[in-house]
Amino acid sequence: DQQVKQNSPSLSVQEGRISILNCDYTNSMFDYFLWYKKYPAEGPTFLISISSIKDKNEDGRFTVFLNKSAKHLSLHIVPSQPGDSAVYFCAASNTDKLIFGTGTRLQVFP
Amino acid sequence: EAGVAQSPRYKIIEKRQSVAFWCNPISGHATLYWYQQILGQGPKLLIQFQNNGVVDDSQLPKDRFSAERLKGVDSTLKIQPAKLEDSAVYLCASSLVRGIFSGNTIYFGEGSWLTVV
Repeated sequence: DQQVKQNSPSLSVQEGRISILNCDYTNSMFDYFLWYKKYPAEGPTFLISISSIKDKNEDGRFTVFLNKSAKHLSLHIVPSQPGDSAVYFCAASNTDKLIFGTGTRLQVFP
Repeated sequence: EAGVAQSPRYKIIEKRQSVAFWCNPISGHATLYWYQQILGQGPKLLIQFQNNGVVDDSQLPKDRFSAERLKGVDSTLKIQPAKLEDSAVYLCASSLVRGIFSGNTIYFGEGSWLTVV
């Protein structure tokens, strides 16, 4: 029973263009959503989050959009940079437990 | 500010052997988590501590896994006996207080990589 799904295991984007990473969830009780970024041999690091009462949150080059009716959220990175190349995990919570997706590997090429 | 410290970083053991992982959370963080991340999957919560008490261990395979946080600071996760399917990265994380909300970030350590052969 996978409550948080990232259906695209990988994404390749040219430097300077927009990267869009998608995430779907099944539990309508989730009230907080987060994106984590993970480099090889390192632990995940928090990137950006959004509460279920909002539909957009922006932090510099990173914007997270939430569509509650579709149970879908997305992370936009504009402009993409080579240093953004990493695995991105979507996570959701309705208590104090985080449920992670399987991750999307983003590669930004010159 | 020092991050979450974990050791050892890498461990290779034979099946049926035992292994222990240690975690030192960020100073002052009351909540400590152990996650298991199998290759190709997202991290899965094994156990959550609030100070030295267990909040959630519903996904901890208690027949072989154990964890403690005796003094409410450092924590140890033990596997005995190990199985092949325990090969994974074991991530320790901590947060200032309990709960997932803005301003209460969960910080992860670099992980302990376990290979069971």
